[in-house]
Amino acid sequence: SYELTQPPSVSVSPGQTANITCSGNKLGEKFACWYQQRPGQSPVLVIYQDTKRPSGIPARFSGSNSGNTATLTISGTQAMDEADYYCQAWDSSTYVVFGGGTKLTVL
Amino acid sequence: QITLKESGPTLVKPTQTLTLTCTFSGLSLDTTGVAMGWIRQPPGKALEWLALIYWDDDNHFSPSLKSRLTITKDTSKNQVVLTMTNMDPVDTGTYYCAHQVVRDFFDYWGQGILVTVSS
Repeated sequence: SYELTQPPSVSVSPGQTANITCSGNKLGEKFACWYQQRPGQSPVLVIYQDTKRPSGIPARFSGSNSGNTATLTISGTQAMDEADYYCQAWDSSTYVVFGGGTKLTVL
Repeated sequence: QITLKESGPTLVKPTQTLTLTCTFSGLSLDTTGVAMGWIRQPPGKALEWLALIYWDDDNHFSPSLKSRLTITKDTSKNQVVLTMTNMDPVDTGTYYCAHQVVRDFFDYWGQGILVTVSS
């Protein structure tokens, strides 16, 4: 079955850039998306089809996907960005696959 | 505006069958390209996809849970129903329904329903 791997935690100082990675076999050949989940809330889509931002998502959120790694980048990180982030992809045999999640701490 | 809301029991006993309903508005499940899915999240743990149903009645299930899951739709009521048999305490968690852009991402999510499995 297909698997996606994320680091359990990432720390960043306010105003700096946070990079959260998601690794999977030939992930660059699939579309990756990212969800933000604040405590007690439902997930919110922040990046889809590798690089696209849904309406209402700040421009400081961006994404890339190449080779075996997709990356969510948050530029000028703010305290409000502190949350759990999940990557997700579609695989033809496993269907929907989520990464294990990354807790972003803004120190 | 698309909204989704999960409903069902919040407490079930081990070995019982769980039935959850997702009631949605702002979209129709008989429109080509529409899919609805269920995702769960144990307390403090990661998201886990469970099941999908498409406008044309095709469906997919998590390989690890396939034997326990059923998903159906009622287009006249704008509802999707998930059943999970033989519930166990490890199945405790928040269950979400979500709208999927077919074979891609989930763009709208319900508020979730916390289901506890305990005797």
